[in-house]
Amino acid sequence: KAGVTQTPRYLIKTRGQQVTLSCSPISGHRSVSWYQQTPGQGLQFLFEYFSETQRNKGNFPGRFSGRQFSNSRSEMNVSTLELGDSALYLCASSLAGGLFSGANVLTFGAGSRLTVL
Amino acid sequence: DQQVKQNSPSLSVQEGRISILNCDYTNSMFDYFLWYKKYPAEGPTFLISISSIKDKNEDGRFTVFLNKSAKHLSLHIVPSQPGDSAVYFCAASAIGSSGSARQLTFGSGTQLTVLP
Repeated sequence: KAGVTQTPRYLIKTRGQQVTLSCSPISGHRSVSWYQQTPGQGLQFLFEYFSETQRNKGNFPGRFSGRQFSNSRSEMNVSTLELGDSALYLCASSLAGGLFSGANVLTFGAGSRLTVL
Repeated sequence: DQQVKQNSPSLSVQEGRISILNCDYTNSMFDYFLWYKKYPAEGPTFLISISSIKDKNEDGRFTVFLNKSAKHLSLHIVPSQPGDSAVYFCAASAIGSSGSARQLTFGSGTQLTVLP
């Protein structure tokens, strides 16, 4: 079956602009999580959605937002981009969240590489 | 404040030898631990996990050890193969701050290079 699909794979924006990233989870997965990866910082948790509701949120400013649609597809938006927002944004899906292991393993997409100039 | 720390950004080992990747955590609420592997231009993939009620879990060449008193876990790869060269992330799971769902907290990763 198809994996987690993220679009676009690469994009370049300038400071002050906004960006929307898209994530299509594995069919049947209802939980979608977003992470930011920067060098030396690992994967920083942004938020998790389940059945169109945000269940968990990391420590990011309000410029970072997301949503989930009824088909479990998710989008994240970053407004008023800053240079420090340059990163790889990873989306991951799982059946229902939880321990993220066994049958409920967290499966990642390849990411969207955002460069802010 | 990083709750999950991987203090070695890189590690090189010879093919056939043991690779030991280390991870320390500070949050005593973590009760489930996982390792992910990431190749360039791909997303991380799940490798192995361990519950806090255990101190060891094996899966083929991969073994994870958990020392709760030291808040330390390690991943052993024996024997190491060139295809194991990747970034390895350790992650810990706890109930999220909202109380309604779990979330994963990742370390900063260790680049493993297995030399042929």
